Amino acid sequence: TQLLEQSPQFLSIQEGENLTVYCNSSSVFSSLQWYRQEPGEGPVLLVTVVTGGEVKKLKRLTFQFGDARKDSSLHITAAQPGDTGLYLCAGDGNYGGSQGNLIFGKGTKLSVKP
Amino acid sequence: DVKVTQSSRYLVKRTGEKVFLECVQDMDHENMFWYRQDPGLGLRLIYFSYDVKMKEKGDIPEGYSVSREKKERFSLILESASTNQTSMYLCASRGALPEGYGYTFGSGTRLTVV
Repeated sequence: TQLLEQSPQFLSIQEGENLTVYCNSSSVFSSLQWYRQEPGEGPVLLVTVVTGGEVKKLKRLTFQFGDARKDSSLHITAAQPGDTGLYLCAGDGNYGGSQGNLIFGKGTKLSVKP
Repeated sequence: DVKVTQSSRYLVKRTGEKVFLECVQDMDHENMFWYRQDPGLGLRLIYFSYDVKMKEKGDIPEGYSVSREKKERFSLILESASTNQTSMYLCASRGALPEGYGYTFGSGTRLTVV
């Protein structure tokens, strides 16, 4: 069974601070995605990383896929209250067996205080 | 703007009732999914479908069934609602691999069973 472990589970910081969220597994994933979910809404896709070592930037958010494609990180620079939400990582497992399923981590709940 | 629409944002049902949760997508996606989301447990896959009239059990199918008579619509049925089915229910769709990487989620249905 493929699992994704996210850390930390909760993070409360002040506006302007930097932070990093981690997503780790012992399994290899063909791709990995990051979602953000606001209270009472469904998750929204932020980014997909596919190649080992890949780095993608989305404004103040930087996403990295590990060289071995087993882990990923999300770094936020100068966090703002609008970054508050639940961040989920999700991995694509074996195409042949998964039928398009993603495997989700349990999420990191981020609170950015003004 | 592409969409996954869930029929209700909030529902309150009585124990023993048969409950229908409807989900419609306008992206011509093959794959559709039903998850429930509970604090501390993350997203758990209930059922998914990769084609019309096809369905596959996810991790927690007990007490649920699904129907996919048309490509755009995927319904979740709680045969006899119980209080432990109180949860946030999320529908998602995904295009055919490998082109369709990300899930598009609906806004969710917050179901309370009393």
